[in-house]
Amino acid sequence: GNSVTQMEGPVTLSEEAFLTINCTYTATGYPSLFWYVQYPGEGLQLLLKATKADDKGSNKGFEATYRKETTSFHLEKGSVQVSDSAVYFCALYHNQGGKLIFGQGTELSVKP
Amino acid sequence: DADVTQTPRNRITKTGKRIMLECSQTKGHDRMYWYRQDPGLGLRLIYYSFDVKDINKGEISDGYSVSRQAQAKFSLSLESAIPNQTALYFCATSNSLGVRNNEQFFGPGTRLTVL
Repeated sequence: GNSVTQMEGPVTLSEEAFLTINCTYTATGYPSLFWYVQYPGEGLQLLLKATKADDKGSNKGFEATYRKETTSFHLEKGSVQVSDSAVYFCALYHNQGGKLIFGQGTELSVKP
Repeated sequence: DADVTQTPRNRITKTGKRIMLECSQTKGHDRMYWYRQDPGLGLRLIYYSFDVKDINKGEISDGYSVSRQAQAKFSLSLESAIPNQTALYFCATSNSLGVRNNEQFFGPGTRLTVL
């Protein structure tokens, strides 16, 4: 079946450090891939997405590239800020099921 | 005003009680979802509805029921709450039409504690 695996947290970084959160997926066909972010006390909001192989999603300095050959969608940011502290969820959407499947979430804490 | 609202935002209840969580949306979306979030487990789908007359079980529907009263309203009930249903519950919506048909929009969550 379809599934998403992301690196375990929590991840603690200093401000301006480089961020990578790994995400790999298992799916048949060509799912769409997403990163959602959950700030403290809030619901999830879409951060970025990619709908086909080699697409790069980007938003707020974050990027992720849809790599079909490695079934990955790693999230990166060149210089994190304290305000990026949140939980990040990788997810896939498969048209067959019409549902989002989430990874377990990675908590990021950025220290000044 | 928020597009997806959930009530209550926080609830403490006792084992065996019946409780209803409500979700309303003003986005005009046809699809609605209920998830629960537990630490280290991500979000797991409880029930989803693609239309007013359509109800589908998710991966963890046991102990829960839902009602889609209108396109804009989707409620989740715990018939007899138990402590392991203590979690953060999220409602989400999506639109089956258009290029953004695979994006879901989430409410702020309901924190439920069952004692």
